[in-house]
Amino acid sequence: SQTIHQWPATLVQPVGSPLSLECTVEGTSNPNLYWYRQAAGRGLQLLFYSIGIDQISSEVPQNLSASRPQDRQFILSSKKLLLSDSGFYLCAWSIGGDNEKLFFGSGTQLSVL
Amino acid sequence: GESVGLHLPTLSVQEGDNSIINCAYSNSASDYFIWYKQESGKGPQFIIDIRSNMDKRQGQRVTVLLNKTVKHLSLQIAATQPGDSAVYFCAENRGSNDYKLSFGAGTTVTVRA
Repeated sequence: SQTIHQWPATLVQPVGSPLSLECTVEGTSNPNLYWYRQAAGRGLQLLFYSIGIDQISSEVPQNLSASRPQDRQFILSSKKLLLSDSGFYLCAWSIGGDNEKLFFGSGTQLSVL
Repeated sequence: GESVGLHLPTLSVQEGDNSIINCAYSNSASDYFIWYKQESGKGPQFIIDIRSNMDKRQGQRVTVLLNKTVKHLSLQIAATQPGDSAVYFCAENRGSNDYKLSFGAGTTVTVRA
């Protein structure tokens, strides 16, 4: 069966520090991969999605970037964190192609202080 | 802004009663809809989905109803249990040619013992 791993679960970082969140998927190949952000008490905002290695699309202009160095690995990064980057970050995958159903990781709660 | 929204942000229900969570959408091009359940500090879990060629779909204790005429989606939970307490999100695809999901803000369901 397929599983998705996301880490760390919580992270406290000072303003201006770098960020790297990692997500890996097991048990499937060529998945679509996604990064979402969820502000407290809000819905999910799509940040990045990827249909293949080194194929990344950004949904909103922001201080973050994403990379996909391997088929089942998706990384969310920042060179210098802002206070506004605080939130709950979720990685998700779907079967490749135009399949809509997403499967989410357990999330990373990021606090930028 | 998000094209998917919810009528009520919170719902309190007595244990054993049926729950109905409503969702309105505005994108007439959407043809796929999905419900997720999110417990505190966790990633959203898939509950049930439906395509626009159907108006009703049932799962275990859950039923999704779709009214395309008024662009309304609902999730019914039968015999609500304490473990059903969570935030429930509806989501829709952006169109038949765009599989990415847009999420509503969520409804917080609290089950009273």
